[in-house]
Amino acid sequence: DGGITQSPKYLFRKEGQNVTLSCEQNLNHDAMYWYRQDPGQGLRLIYYSQIVNDFQKGDIAEGYSVSREKKESFPLTVTSAQKNPTAFYLCASSISAAGELFFGEGSRLTVL
Amino acid sequence: AQSVAQPEDQVNVAEGNPLTVKCTYSVSGNPYLFWYVQYPNRGLQFLLKYITGDNLVKGSYGFEAEFNKSQTSFHLKKPSALVSDSALYFCAVRDQTGANNLFFGTGTRLTVIP
Repeated sequence: DGGITQSPKYLFRKEGQNVTLSCEQNLNHDAMYWYRQDPGQGLRLIYYSQIVNDFQKGDIAEGYSVSREKKESFPLTVTSAQKNPTAFYLCASSISAAGELFFGEGSRLTVL
Repeated sequence: AQSVAQPEDQVNVAEGNPLTVKCTYSVSGNPYLFWYVQYPNRGLQFLLKYITGDNLVKGSYGFEAEFNKSQTSFHLKKPSALVSDSALYFCAVRDQTGANNLFFGTGTRLTVIP
């Protein structure tokens, strides 16, 4: 079945460690996105990519990094510079700028 | 700047009654509008969208939404609520300039009481 796969679903990290969240899609979508969800704040955009080898910062990019070496993959690295990384992270893709987003099941990161 | 407001954090409705989840938006130019639903610890699922055309949009699971340009609103509705509709609902907007970002509201938690 086509869709978006995020892994791991749950992740624990010690302070000072970098961690990478995986996002893979087989929908043949050009655009991919990373959002962060915190209680009562809705979704906030971290990074997005419209094509391979190109990506743009969103509203809260500080402390995060991404790459887009393949159309299917858009991994997110949460670095030690991110001051409050505990959150639910959602990856999404869309076929076009006007199209709806398709979301993965999310990754919950907890910093111990 | 684009923004979305969902004025109600929580909506309670009895099973079988009609439900409305409110959304107002602000964009420069014409909007693309979306509704999503989220169940606990899951990703968001697309319900419906307004791009252009008929102001009444029908979507998944019996939901519909009405685009009102003068009131800049896009309220989500369903004629008869089910207990299984209980979830977190998000309204989102994107402008038609080609900007790729989708701005989300803070969400409304719908509880359908049996």
